[in-house]
Amino acid sequence: RKEVEQDPGPFNVPEGATVAFNCTYSNSASQSFFWYRQDCRKEPKLLMSVYSSGNEDGRFTAQLNRASQYISLLIRDSKLSDSATYLCVVTSGGFQKLVFGTGTRLLVSP
Amino acid sequence: NAGVTQTPKFQVLKTGQSMTLQCAQDMNHEYMSWYRQDPGMGLRLIHYSVGAGITDQGEVPNGYNVSRSTTEDFPLRLLSAAPSQTSVYFCASSYSRTNSNQPQHFGDGTRLSIL
Repeated sequence: RKEVEQDPGPFNVPEGATVAFNCTYSNSASQSFFWYRQDCRKEPKLLMSVYSSGNEDGRFTAQLNRASQYISLLIRDSKLSDSATYLCVVTSGGFQKLVFGTGTRLLVSP
Repeated sequence: NAGVTQTPKFQVLKTGQSMTLQCAQDMNHEYMSWYRQDPGMGLRLIHYSVGAGITDQGEVPNGYNVSRSTTEDFPLRLLSAAPSQTSVYFCASSYSRTNSNQPQHFGDGTRLSIL
């Protein structure tokens, strides 16, 4: 079983739609949680950290459920520019050792 | 600031050849790491360093060596290239070795093909 699991998608949505991605992780000792965004053939970039109380950054909302070891990302009012792969990332075995999910691909169409 | 700079961007090697992938950062970051990204596998940690003179193995270290003689540089050496090492390699850095909420800054990547 992979340490971080994501639905690979792709999720095809029209502009303006709301879309949600989920991620599960297996290491209950994981301390920190993130969503990264990766455009085609580019480097990953931090989208947002995920906090236990849930957090929002503009159109993006992240939630963490430690009991269920589950992380989510909600994107409201999707834009064409949101088309990318979204990587769920957790720390494991040490503060900065990141474990990446394989990513969920999002395609937003006009 | 240039951020994290990786060279080369593309490289083709023959099986058995050796080479060094360069990574440099100008942000005075303590923590640096190397990942490889393969289809369907996600990014996997190869080696990491928490400061000059200190390195450790990640998830997939076999076939690779690293050193950290300065804060700025963290080269990755392929000792004897194998086709299984065909991948995209990313170098990343972050400010603090102890604060896990620090974002990782990635380089542009090196696309490596082993024939």
